Amino acid sequence: EDQVTQSPEALRLQEGESSSLNCSYTVSGLRGLFWYRQDPGKGPEFLFTLYSAGEEKEKERLKATLTKKESFLHITAPKPEDSATYLCAVREDGATNKLIFGTGTLLAVQP
Amino acid sequence: ETGVTQTPRHLVMGMTNKKSLKCEQHLGHNAMYWYKQSAKKPLELMFVYSLEERVENNSVPSRFSPECPNSSHLFLHLHTLQPEDSALYLCASSQAGFGTNEKLFFGSGTQLSVL
Repeated sequence: EDQVTQSPEALRLQEGESSSLNCSYTVSGLRGLFWYRQDPGKGPEFLFTLYSAGEEKEKERLKATLTKKESFLHITAPKPEDSATYLCAVREDGATNKLIFGTGTLLAVQP
Repeated sequence: ETGVTQTPRHLVMGMTNKKSLKCEQHLGHNAMYWYKQSAKKPLELMFVYSLEERVENNSVPSRFSPECPNSSHLFLHLHTLQPEDSALYLCASSQAGFGTNEKLFFGSGTQLSVL
């Protein structure tokens, strides 16, 4: 069964302490992998799309990378405003065009 | 107003009530979606409308009834809900339609509690 698994479930960092979030996926053919950020009481906000292994994208303190089986979201020198839930989703090749979401990583960055 | 707007933000209803959730997108997009988000579970796709036609109905119980009168508006009509239907209901839109590989733009959601 196709699935998306995110780890860790929750992560607490000190301000400036860099770390990485993981998203592993099992689909027969990857059409795209998406990262979203979700703040409490709000809907997910798009961050990145990655399409093929080896691809990387950056935005401020965030950098997303992709291999054939997983993606990492690297957070460099995080600030308290980076605290949020980070969601990963994949879309697979084929007739089904649905996004398959993971359960997210809740990140808390303490000052 | 820009983006995807959902009303109401919070809703408490009894199991015998009938209520509706409203979504409006101001982005000129052609596809609109309803998702359900429950604690500790992945987002679940419920319905998709592309160019005002329903193209996906993800085995959702009939107590949830969608309506898409035009490409900017989407409703979710609720009746005879169960307590396990309590969740955050998110509306989303995408530009070109359901068959594409595009990102979704989400509203802030309606937090629904069924008593």
